[in-house]
Amino acid sequence: AQSVTQLGSHVSVSEGALVLLRCNYSSSVPPYLFWYVQYPNQGLQLLLKYTSAATLVKGINGFEAEFKKSETSFHLTKPSAHMSDAAEYFCAVSGPITGGGNKLTFGTGTQLKVEL
Amino acid sequence: NAGVTQTPKFQVLKTGQSMTLQCAQDMNHEYMSWYRQDPGMGLRLIHYSVGAGITDQGEVPNGYNVSRSTTEDFPLRLLSAAPSQTSVYFCASRRGTFWYFGAGTRLSVL
Repeated sequence: AQSVTQLGSHVSVSEGALVLLRCNYSSSVPPYLFWYVQYPNQGLQLLLKYTSAATLVKGINGFEAEFKKSETSFHLTKPSAHMSDAAEYFCAVSGPITGGGNKLTFGTGTQLKVEL
Repeated sequence: NAGVTQTPKFQVLKTGQSMTLQCAQDMNHEYMSWYRQDPGMGLRLIHYSVGAGITDQGEVPNGYNVSRSTTEDFPLRLLSAAPSQTSVYFCASRRGTFWYFGAGTRLSVL
């Protein structure tokens, strides 16, 4: 079974500051890890994913995440926040597809607020 | 190629009413699933299917039924709606490591 824990249900940063959203995972098999963004009253948009290739993953809108097996973490970062980054962010985990990774398990989400 | 299509977008039900949330995909994906999203709880898996005729329960299946008669469609049925089923529902299909989500159905049960 897999699970993810997102630390901090609300994060507030100033425009131009570093964005750091934390995600720790638990998995009995090599995990696939994902970050999704959800803007108000919209669906989910994939930001980036880790599928056992490079541990530093670059995504859309300037976001990136680093898979750290020793820390069981997959934190999302962006060097400089923009007002348009205000949204809810979800970390998610699945197992390898060939290993029956049919379930995508989500964290509880982190609401990012960007202030002037 | 429309992706994953959910209907309706909004629905209001009275307690005890039944309804079916529709989900269709035109990408020939074998895997489809239903999630519900509630504030502070993220998205939780209700039911999923790995192909026509095969379904299985997820994390929160109680109160919901599914069937999969075709590859394209995966409807979610509420037989007797309860206020606790007020939520936003998302359908998703998967190919490889890509999950494709529908736009969601916002359901209120009064």
